[in-house]
Order: sequence, then structure tokens, then C-alpha cells
Amino acid sequence: NAGVMQNPRHLVRRRGQEARLRCSPMKGHSHVYWYRQLPEEGLKFMVYLQKENIIDESGMPKERFSAEFPKEGPSILRSQQVVRGDSAAYFCASSPPVASGGSGEQFFGPGTRLTVL
Amino acid sequence: QKEVEQDPGPLSVPEGAIVSLNCTYSNSAFQYFMWYRQYSRKGPELLMYTYSSGNKEDGRFTAQVDKSSKYISLFIRDSQPSDSATYLCAMLGGTGGFKTSFGAGTILLVKA
Repeated sequence: NAGVMQNPRHLVRRRGQEARLRCSPMKGHSHVYWYRQLPEEGLKFMVYLQKENIIDESGMPKERFSAEFPKEGPSILRSQQVVRGDSAAYFCASSPPVASGGSGEQFFGPGTRLTVL
Repeated sequence: QKEVEQDPGPLSVPEGAIVSLNCTYSNSAFQYFMWYRQYSRKGPELLMYTYSSGNKEDGRFTAQVDKSSKYISLFIRDSQPSDSATYLCAMLGGTGGFKTSFGAGTILLVKA
């Protein structure tokens, strides 16, 4: 059973460019979380999604970021116009549906390291 | 005040020592408590997951939750150099729903 997959692993963008990060959850998981981790800091929650539905986006700068988790395909975290402060590691985590016993156990992907020049 | 407080360390111990890692929190509504281990430039790996107060043991790891004191701990027995990593506490529940709050992480160094 493959774990959480993220791609690309590294992404370099110039200020103002778009950045698109992908996350494929573990098989059977229908919940996806996105986090941002700056050097020397902990994980900061950005957004929580279920299939075709954004549950909580309170941690995401909505003027520049958007997220989706379509019925088919990976979850996408997108920044329309990156700024230098967006340079960070972005982690995706997935968890199983509550109905199957999951209540918060999140399994993380390897992360995408975004560098904004 | 941060919602979750965690001493960043680094904590340096000799191989074989018992390690105690701790977090305090301010939101009394938290119900689920996790510990993650993160190696450099890798994603966090779930170590322990507990619900409400009490102890949970898994091999060399023991997680403790004291909701009355808003204090959680992770104990590592017979520590090994391979345990050297950053340990993150995390918690969720209550009015925050599934929004998980993480501590900043404690760097642990186990010297051979």
C-alpha cells in the first residue's frame, strides 16, 4: 500500500509565477490536509479538504492560494502569484474517513520544497 | 501565547538514556493527541496517537496525556542514535474540528 505521494519534490519559481503542488492520498483515505513548514518552525495548518469539498481553509492566504480535491485525481495546492515569503516546505497529509474509525491520525507525504527567487 | 508550546531543544543524551519530551497546550477542548518524528528534510512520521487522558505504550515509546494539567509527554526508553530527529506534538478536537495544532518541535540528539 503506497503512502502519501507528493510531487514535485522540489520547485523553484520567480516572484509572481504560479506554483502548483500535487498530493495523492493513501488508498482509502478521503481527507487531505495541507501544511506549510518554515525553517526552525513547526507545521502551520493551511487547509483541510474532503473529496470535492473544502472543510476548513482558515490557515490559507486566500488572496494568493487555492486548494482543491477533485473526485478523481490528486489534491492540488496552488499559488497564483508566489512571493519570497512562500519559500517553505509544503506537506500534505491524509487520513481515513471518520466512519472507518479514523479520528485524526494523519499520514504525511515527503513534502514539496518551494523556493521563490 | 501559542496554542501549543514545545521546548525546541536541542536535547542531547547518551545512547541508552530515557528521553522525556513534553508539550503544554492552552485549548482545553483538544481530545486527540499525537507525536510525530521528523528526520531532516523528510515528512513527519506518526509515532503515537492517543485519545483523552492516560498512558499508551508501544515498544520503547510511551505517551502520556494529562488533560487536567494540559500537558502531554513522550518517553523513549533505551534511546538509540537512530532516534535522533525532531519530535513534534500535535493535537486536535473540540471547537477546532479537524484543524490540527502542532508544536514547533524538539530536536533530539542521541550520541553513541
